[in-house]
Amino acid sequence: NAGVTQTPKFRILKIGQSMTLQCAQDMNHNYMYWYRQDPGMGLKLIYYSVGAGITDKGEVPNGYNVSRSTTEDFPLRLELAAPSQTSVYFCASSYKSGGPLHFGNGTRLTVT
Amino acid sequence: DQQVKQNSPSLSVQEGRISILNCDYTNSMFDYFLWYKKYPAEGPTFLISISSIKDKNEDGRFTVFLNKSAKHLSLHIVPSQPGDSAVYFCAATGGATNKLIFGTGTLLAVQP
Repeated sequence: NAGVTQTPKFRILKIGQSMTLQCAQDMNHNYMYWYRQDPGMGLKLIYYSVGAGITDKGEVPNGYNVSRSTTEDFPLRLELAAPSQTSVYFCASSYKSGGPLHFGNGTRLTVT
Repeated sequence: DQQVKQNSPSLSVQEGRISILNCDYTNSMFDYFLWYKKYPAEGPTFLISISSIKDKNEDGRFTVFLNKSAKHLSLHIVPSQPGDSAVYFCAATGGATNKLIFGTGTLLAVQP
């Protein structure tokens, strides 16, 4: 079972560049989430979705955008990359509100 | 405002002994609590959960205790094994929210 798949695994961006972090799940989960993990800060929720066509902001949404056109995919868009967005990004999905969450293996992003 | 707090960044125990990881929360609306385990370069994986209607939940070597009046929960691992060495995250959700709020994590090192 693939579970939650994130691509790419690593990426280096220059300030001001844009990119999309991809996330796909094959468990037919309605709920999907994007978190970022900074050292010593735990996991902070960026955006989440309760189903196709429905998204909402989490704790730290500024600088990011999401879309949910299908149940399977939940891409995260960075429009103007900033050094503060250097982090490890995790996508997760669940079959019910609040979890348990199934996480991908993360995307390590560096903005220089 | 950190709603879920793990005040011990790290913990070291001997193999075979008990590991106790602690978590405090501030939001009285939280009614469902989870523990996740994370190895380096992997996403977090769900370990065990507890609903606020219970004060204890056990799964093999892992037991979670909930003290609602103190807004405190703890994860007990007994006996601890070297393979338990990982970062452990406490998470909480509840009320009308679909969000899962994570603590900052505790790095557990089990010494052989």
